[in-house]
Amino acid sequence: GQQLNQSPQSMFIQEGEDVSMNCTSSSIFNTWLWYKQDPGEGPVLLIALYKAGELTSNGRLTAQFGITRKDSFLNISASIPSDVGIYFCAGPGGTSYGKLTFGQGTILTVHP
Amino acid sequence: NAGVTQTPKFQVLKTGQSMTLQCAQDMNHEYMSWYRQDPGMGLRLIHYSVGAGITDQGEVPNGYNVSRSTTEDFPLRLLSAAPSQTSVYFCASSRRLASYNEQFFGPGTRLTVL
Repeated sequence: GQQLNQSPQSMFIQEGEDVSMNCTSSSIFNTWLWYKQDPGEGPVLLIALYKAGELTSNGRLTAQFGITRKDSFLNISASIPSDVGIYFCAGPGGTSYGKLTFGQGTILTVHP
Repeated sequence: NAGVTQTPKFQVLKTGQSMTLQCAQDMNHEYMSWYRQDPGMGLRLIHYSVGAGITDQGEVPNGYNVSRSTTEDFPLRLLSAAPSQTSVYFCASSRRLASYNEQFFGPGTRLTVL
């Protein structure tokens, strides 16, 4: 099956720093999604990407759909304490609608 | 809209017991899914449904049953709980058309099997 490798697994940063994380796939994707999970909550969609090379922003978050269609990147600028959580990349888990494959997640800790 | 709701929020079972995790959505979404989340493994798909009366298996279906009698509800049944089923369970839903992959998640059910 399709696999997503997400890196880094965890990050410890100071408030105000920029953050970068990425996700690579063993196969080509036509959609990339980035989710954030706050402690004790379900994942919430941050950004959806549908076209190779696409660059999309959501406030301080920017995500890019890699040209090869096998990778995606998420950047967070000027981090703040509420950015703490787990960030997941996800893509279609096959040809059937409704199926998603998730990366292992990047755990982000922001020190004030 | 309440979005996706899940009950219970926490549950402790003994090995061999059965139970049903409830999931409901009020967004008229066609697609609903169940995932389990284990440390370091992301979310793995258990079962999913593309509409009322239609269900299919995901990546880790063994030990779980589902049914979809209405658009709103998608319960997950554990027939004989095992310690390996200790996990956090998330239900998700999405529209069928262009944004079908943009799934909305419930708050989760934290299950411990002793």
